[in-house]
Amino acid sequence: AQSVTQLGSHVSVSEGALVLLRCNYSSSVPPYLFWYVQYPNQGLQLLLKYTSAATLVKGINGFEAEFKKSETSFHLTKPSAHMSDAAEYFCAVSDRNTDKLIFGTGTRLQVFP
Amino acid sequence: KAGVTQTPRYLIKTRGQQVTLSCSPISGHRSVSWYQQTPGQGLQFLFEYFSETQRNKGNFPGRFSGRQFSNSRSEMNVSTLELGDSALYLCASSPPASTGELFFGEGSRLTVL
Repeated sequence: AQSVTQLGSHVSVSEGALVLLRCNYSSSVPPYLFWYVQYPNQGLQLLLKYTSAATLVKGINGFEAEFKKSETSFHLTKPSAHMSDAAEYFCAVSDRNTDKLIFGTGTRLQVFP
Repeated sequence: KAGVTQTPRYLIKTRGQQVTLSCSPISGHRSVSWYQQTPGQGLQFLFEYFSETQRNKGNFPGRFSGRQFSNSRSEMNVSTLELGDSALYLCASSPPASTGELFFGEGSRLTVL
């Protein structure tokens, strides 16, 4: 069965610093992978998705993620953090059998001035 | 194009009562999924409906139920509310031929006293 593991429930960076949020997946078939962002009291918004095309995926707000099959990873990065990036980020994998999205436990990103 | 609309956004109930939450998907989306989000358990899948039929179900007791109407709008119901049912309930819709991508509403925050 597919699953995702997000390493680090909290990540803190300074404004302008690199953002790196880690996600490892487990899947017996080529996965579809997603990153979502959730701002306080809001639903989840899709940042980017990997669906077997280019391994480096660019998303909204300057975020990107690289699919690395050898490492079973799909880490999210942004070169320079902005205060508005403070939110909770969820990695997810699509279960090909049920089309169900399986979410990681989330990583809360704090950005300090 | 309007997004996923959930009503009500906030509600307070007491133990033993029941609650009905409503979700209107994006126009053209026929699949609707429901998730429960709590600080302790994260995002947990409740159920998914497609063309008025429940296609997938998560690991929740029978007190949690749902349905979908012919216009793809969906409702979920929780009977005999418990304190532990306090959560953000998120509805999401997905387009035809989806790669698993979900479009979320802003959620209904339920507080059980």
